[in-house]
Amino acid sequence: ETGVTQTPRHLVMGMTNKKSLKCEQHLGHNAMYWYKQSAKKPLELMFVYNFKEQTENNSVPSRFSPECPNSSHLFLHLHTLQPEDSALYLCASSQGQGKETQYFGPGTRLLVL
Amino acid sequence: QKEVEQNSGPLSVPEGAIASLNCTYSDRGSQSFFWYRQYSGKSPELIMSIYSNGDKEDGRFTAQLNKASQYVSLLIRDSQPSDSATYLCAVYPGKLIFGQGTELSVKP
Repeated sequence: ETGVTQTPRHLVMGMTNKKSLKCEQHLGHNAMYWYKQSAKKPLELMFVYNFKEQTENNSVPSRFSPECPNSSHLFLHLHTLQPEDSALYLCASSQGQGKETQYFGPGTRLLVL
Repeated sequence: QKEVEQNSGPLSVPEGAIASLNCTYSDRGSQSFFWYRQYSGKSPELIMSIYSNGDKEDGRFTAQLNKASQYVSLLIRDSQPSDSATYLCAVYPGKLIFGQGTELSVKP
């Protein structure tokens, strides 16, 4: 595997379900990010991790819970989501948390029923 | 005022023409500027990054930055149908902020 991978690529869940999104980067980067992309809206930064430590939480509702066990893996745990949470969830990584280029994974297309 | 604003699309150009994509930003402390391309149903991929005033060329792509005017643009020369995508401008004033994107359509 190369670059940034995400699983699953598609997910349909009910509002009472609990699911997790997984991201893995094979680039040796130290910073990882979660973004939300809704139709016709700009990419929204959700969380930032640098060297496994959360450095930014962009006022994300608590029904989204991130986890970063090491610099290569990032999870987004989902519970009691709302239909408006349906979107493309993108993971990205960069060498450091700064002005470096971010590289994106393919995304998870989430539908909440 | 939006933090990063791109000219509204869709932008349609004929094959072989120059496509010009524009972006303005509000934070004068912004240090880094990026153009990403996103095909429908795919994730964004980096085309260009630019950090200092002036032009930066890479193949058919030229990024132009004017910090005084808080303006960054992307020119695509000899546009091809495969260039049809949404182009995202991103600016780094402490965190990466994306514009809403401009959809480009290159007609054969």
